[in-house]
Amino acid sequence: QSVLTQPPSVSAAPGQKVTISCSGSSSNIGNRYVSWYQQLPGTAPKLLIYDNDKRPSGIPDRFSGSKSGTSATLGITGLQTGDEADYYCGTWDSSLSGGNWVFGGGTKLTVL
Amino acid sequence: EVQLLESGGGLVQPGESLRLSCAPSGFTFSNYAMSWVRQAPGKGLEWVSGISGSGGSASYADSVKGRFTISRDNSKKTLSLQMNSLRAEDTAVYYCARIPAMTTVTRFDYWGQGTLVTVSS
Repeated sequence: QSVLTQPPSVSAAPGQKVTISCSGSSSNIGNRYVSWYQQLPGTAPKLLIYDNDKRPSGIPDRFSGSKSGTSATLGITGLQTGDEADYYCGTWDSSLSGGNWVFGGGTKLTVL
Repeated sequence: EVQLLESGGGLVQPGESLRLSCAPSGFTFSNYAMSWVRQAPGKGLEWVSGISGSGGSASYADSVKGRFTISRDNSKKTLSLQMNSLRAEDTAVYYCARIPAMTTVTRFDYWGQGTLVTVSS
């Protein structure tokens, strides 16, 4: 059971838009920056979004992030088959002793 | 180019120990905090441990606290994870990941390719 809740799967057609939600609480998302990671099949995760809505160099602007209260959202527009991957949100959680980093359970994106 | 290369994974029996290493290149190692993140087969990501750039501060997930020890040697540019009293549930791919800060875990901006640890009798 992850501290951050993501839908297990989402799907959409090529060229369409999809959003992936990440729900937390005041001990994590509510008071911390959120980052998002893309994990293509058989590869290591890759940073996609950081500080809620910033994109690292090289990440296309089809990918966007936002945060409101204790929830964050990843948006992907102009879906491509190459976007099929698992997506994870992550942030620091201060509810446990000393705090620790937490990830969402992951969302599998299928581009139909 | 930033690269992180993990090594040391393998098959061990429950209760045994294993030491993972991560060799960074392409950046000034001592200027960055580092972490280990693992992924059990078919499962999601789980943060394991983190260490500050100086090595003076470390933190652990409750699931490994008291069994795993993270360390770094900035002069040799090496990150390590000593894993003792291994359990079947520790079976996972272990990733070395860079944190773009000296202490605070803000995000993981570069990841290694991972090394597989299998704990089984």
